[in-house]
Amino acid sequence: AQKVTQAQTEISVVEKEDVTLDCVYETRDTTYYLFWYKQPPSGELVFLIRRNSFDEQNEISGRYSWNFQKSTSSFNFTITASQVVDSAVYFCALSEANTNAGKSTFGDGTTLTVKP
Amino acid sequence: DSGVTQTPKHLITATGQRVTLRCSPRSGDLSVYWYQQSLDQGLQFLIQYYNGEERAKGNILERFSAQQFPDLHSELNLSSLELGDSALYFCASSTGTVRPSTDTQYFGPGTRLTVL
Repeated sequence: AQKVTQAQTEISVVEKEDVTLDCVYETRDTTYYLFWYKQPPSGELVFLIRRNSFDEQNEISGRYSWNFQKSTSSFNFTITASQVVDSAVYFCALSEANTNAGKSTFGDGTTLTVKP
Repeated sequence: DSGVTQTPKHLITATGQRVTLRCSPRSGDLSVYWYQQSLDQGLQFLIQYYNGEERAKGNILERFSAQQFPDLHSELNLSSLELGDSALYFCASSTGTVRPSTDTQYFGPGTRLTVL
């Protein structure tokens, strides 16, 4: 069975601070996919990134960066120089590739509040 | 805007009633997924359809059913509604490759269901 743990329920930072959101996952599969989604106060889920288990290269997209470490089963997300608009709930999700089904398992989410 | 549309945006109904939620996937996407987001259970996968056929089932109650039509839109039917069914229901779509689990899912804005 797959499991995603986001241990940080809530994080509060002041604008321009860097912040890291943790994600730890469990899976028996050797091939899997990890995702991060953002859910702003308006409620929609916005796709941020997808990473497959073969690719441990870290990724940077503007102020966002992701650190994937298979050895510790972690896929952490860092926002550099945070802004008020980054305030949202962030979800990490896992999808096992060894099935024909698109079942994604989500973590409970981390609520990030960025104060001006 | 993800390209996935859901109607209605809000739905208020009474216990024991039946409702239908509608989802139109992104153009060209063959897979549709339904998720429930509630305060107690978090984000949970309900069911997936691929090109009209059921592909995977998650934590979907027997009172709930879904289908995907030839034009690829999908409907989620919820019957004998209970207070605990109050939640945000998301639809997502993906291109639907041989291994749908590898696809990135793009989410609609959700339908907020309130059962009184």
